[in-house]
Formats: sequence, structure tokens, C-alpha cells
Amino acid sequence: DSGVTQTPKHLITATGQRVTLRCSPRSGDLSVYWYQQSLDQGLQFLIQYYNGEERAKGNILERFSAQQFPDLHSELNLSSLELGDSALYFCASSVGRLPNEKLFFGSGTQLSVL
Amino acid sequence: GESVGLHLPTLSVQEGDNSIINCAYSNSASDYFIWYKQESGKGPQFIIDIRSNMDKRQGQRVTVLLNKTVKHLSLQIAATQPGDSAVYFCAENEYGGSQGNLIFGKGTKLSVKP
Repeated sequence: DSGVTQTPKHLITATGQRVTLRCSPRSGDLSVYWYQQSLDQGLQFLIQYYNGEERAKGNILERFSAQQFPDLHSELNLSSLELGDSALYFCASSVGRLPNEKLFFGSGTQLSVL
Repeated sequence: GESVGLHLPTLSVQEGDNSIINCAYSNSASDYFIWYKQESGKGPQFIIDIRSNMDKRQGQRVTVLLNKTVKHLSLQIAATQPGDSAVYFCAENEYGGSQGNLIFGKGTKLSVKP
């Protein structure tokens, strides 16, 4: 168990809908990262928050947004969903904010858009 | 495009043999590298990391080798066991130091035959 908690584990929804994925980092970790994993793209970095503020942005669509709350949990909001958004979404956390330390991943949320 | 790639997308080994998983990176500025193991239905799990001031680092049954001259990274697993069957990802900090993010390769699937 990595200590990173993600909910829900599975999510089935329809095109055009909006969903929220939730992540609680390991105790003491200040950074939260969101990754998307699909069969043809591997693990794609979406966004990172450090202590409540956005620190880095990757290949995140404008339809997607995230935030980190004062208690350090994070939410990833996906709107106007398309079939191609179906993927595994992982949250990871780390102590610091730099890209030269290990990340601890949650078990992921499997999103299926029908 | 991705700067991290893998030579072998699949690897099949006999139980008890040693496994070697390779990874090429293209950014000479990268100075931190990390290997993850992902079992089916789970999130990536940290295995071992190495910084560019080292050529070799050993863990429990695993060794990571870094050849900066040819920009090559490898993960060696000694006495491979069925529980080692998983997809293995290498990752690098894309710009080195405090810049950029961890970028993941597409992964190598390791199958261990009993």
C-alpha cells in the first residue's frame, strides 16, 4: 500500500458528462500529481500541485481542471467527456515539489466513457 | 514526443534466471532516473532510482545501471520470480535539476515462466 488513496476505483459515464476524481496523498506529502494512462500513450503527466498551488502543467486538456485543497487532497475534474478520455487516471504524491524525487502512486480510477 | 523509450516491449524469462530491462533516454540534461513496476490492476510501484552522479545502484535483487555516454539505463532483476511479472517503466526528469517533470517510457512487459 503506497498510502495514496484514490476514489472512485471505477467510473462509468456517458459522453458530454462531467466527473470528479479524488485523491488523498500520503501523510506528509505536499505535492500531488495527476497522470493519465492509456494503452497507446502510456503514462502521461497532466498536472502537479504543491501545497495548494499549481506547480507544473503537462498535456492536460482545457476540458480538464484540478485543484488541491488546504488539507492537501486533490480533485481532478473532467468535463464534456469524450470517448477518447476513457483511461486509467493515477494520482501520485511526493514530499517536495521537484522532479528529482520518487513519486508514490495510488491504485487509479478507471474511467469508461460510453 | 517522448524522450524516454524502451528497447524491448516484451520480455519472457524462466523462473530463476536473471532479467535485464533496457531503457534509452534522449535528454543529456536528465540527472534523475527511476524504475517503476506496475502489476495488473495496480498503480506503479517504486523499485529503485539513481542520480546521474552514479553509474550503479543496488537494491534487493535489483540493480540499476546508468551509462551516460550512450544515454542508456537498465534494470537487472536477479533470480526472477513469478511475482516479478509486471510492466516495468523507466522515467527521467526531463530537463534535469529542478526543471520539468518526470517523463515515463511506454513500458516493458516482463513475463516469468515457472
